[in-house]
Amino acid sequence: DGGITQSPKYLFRKEGQNVTLSCEQNLNHDAMYWYRQDPGQGLRLIYYSQIVNDFQKGDIAEGYSVSREKKESFPLTVTSAQKNPTAFYLCASSIGVGQGGETQYFGPGTRLLVL
Amino acid sequence: GENVEQHPSTLSVQEGDSAVIKCTYSDSASNYFPWYKQELGKRPQLIIDIRSNVGEKKDQRIAVTLNKTAKHFSLHITETQPEDSAVYFCARGPGGFKTIFGAGTRLFVKA
Repeated sequence: DGGITQSPKYLFRKEGQNVTLSCEQNLNHDAMYWYRQDPGQGLRLIYYSQIVNDFQKGDIAEGYSVSREKKESFPLTVTSAQKNPTAFYLCASSIGVGQGGETQYFGPGTRLLVL
Repeated sequence: GENVEQHPSTLSVQEGDSAVIKCTYSDSASNYFPWYKQELGKRPQLIIDIRSNVGEKKDQRIAVTLNKTAKHFSLHITETQPEDSAVYFCARGPGGFKTIFGAGTRLFVKA
C-alpha cells in the first residue's frame, strides 16, 4: 500500500467551490476506487474504475465526479452539489476485480473540511 | 442483501486476553473475506484474508475462521497488546468493486 499516494492530506472547501483530490498509484494496478468515511462509520463506495478511460458510479456518487485518463491516476472532484462533503476520503487500488487480484490497498487519505 | 453485519461495534479487553470479532453475510456467492485494521487517522491496512475454499487461516497472533454454511466469519486476536487497539473492518467479495465492508469494530486493549 506504500505505492498509493493521496494529496493533499487536509483540504478546505469554501461554499460553492469545487475541489479535487488527487490519487496516484505506481503498483500497475488496473482497478481504482474512491471511498468516503464519516466519523465512526464504515467505508462507502463513491466511484470505481476497472480500467483506463472507464469508471462507474458506486453507492453515493451524487455530488462527485472522477476521471481516469491514466492508469496511475484517479482524481476525485467534490462539486458544489455535494452539500455535506466533510469526511475522510480514501482512495484504493487492486490488481483487478477477478479472483486473486481483488485485494484492495488504500492510500493515506484526504480529510476534507468545509469553511 | 449485500450488507455485512459486524459485531460487536466496540470491544474492550485486558492486555494478554483474546479478542473475537464476528461478521455475517447473506450472499452465498461471496468467496473472499479480507480483514482490515485502521488506526486513528490512518489508512485501512489488510491484516489477513481468507477464501471460501479454506476454513481457517492463521498468521502469528491473528486467525480468521470461515463457516460457509452459516455464512459467518470471525477474526481472532490472541495475546492482545496495546498496539492492537484500532478499528477493525471485515469485508466480503467476490471482490473488486463488489467488496462490501462491515461497519467496523473499535478494539481497546487496556494495559
